[in-house]
Amino acid sequence: DQQVKQNSPSLSVQEGRISILNCDYTNSMFDYFLWYKKYPAEGPTFLISISSIKDKNEDGRFTVFLNKSAKHLSLHIVPSQPGDSAVYFCAATTGGGNKLTFGTGTQLKVEL
Amino acid sequence: SQTIHQWPATLVQPVGSPLSLECTVEGTSNPNLYWYRQAAGRGLQLLFYSVGIGQISSEVPQNLSASRPQDRQFILSSKKLLLSDSGFYLCAWRLAGAADTQYFGPGTRLTVL
Repeated sequence: DQQVKQNSPSLSVQEGRISILNCDYTNSMFDYFLWYKKYPAEGPTFLISISSIKDKNEDGRFTVFLNKSAKHLSLHIVPSQPGDSAVYFCAATTGGGNKLTFGTGTQLKVEL
Repeated sequence: SQTIHQWPATLVQPVGSPLSLECTVEGTSNPNLYWYRQAAGRGLQLLFYSVGIGQISSEVPQNLSASRPQDRQFILSSKKLLLSDSGFYLCAWRLAGAADTQYFGPGTRLTVL
């Protein structure tokens, strides 16, 4: 049972435009959500997170939106840069955080 | 600042051979430690986590085991590797009792032939 889903395996965006990566979840007990960025042959790098008590969190070019009623979150990257090309994973956890449940990832390609 | 190390970076092992992957964390005390595996084209799957020395929780029954002999050391082992053990193994840490963000090491690429 895939509790965290990233239905788009890939996304291509032009440099300078907005990248929107989507993630859906099924477990209503999840209360903390994270986005990680991963380059090939490297460990994931933490990008941004959001608690379920909020619906938006912003950090520089990265903004995460949470829609609890729809069990949906999204990551917006504005403006997109070629260095943003990577695989992006969303993850979710319940209180305590000992188990992160990851989506399968979305490969973002930012083209010149 | 905290840093996390994993070694080796890459490993090619024959089926049936033993395995030992090591992870160490610097710059923090009593972290929660985690082992994940990413199989080809898949997401990250939690294998084991530890909240203290000698304390191991297993998430997925498998051919692997984990140990935490020291506060900042986490070891992933196998007595006999299977082809299906191939993958990218990641160690992660989190401050116990703090926010839920986990921070990952650089990973080990294991190929079992």
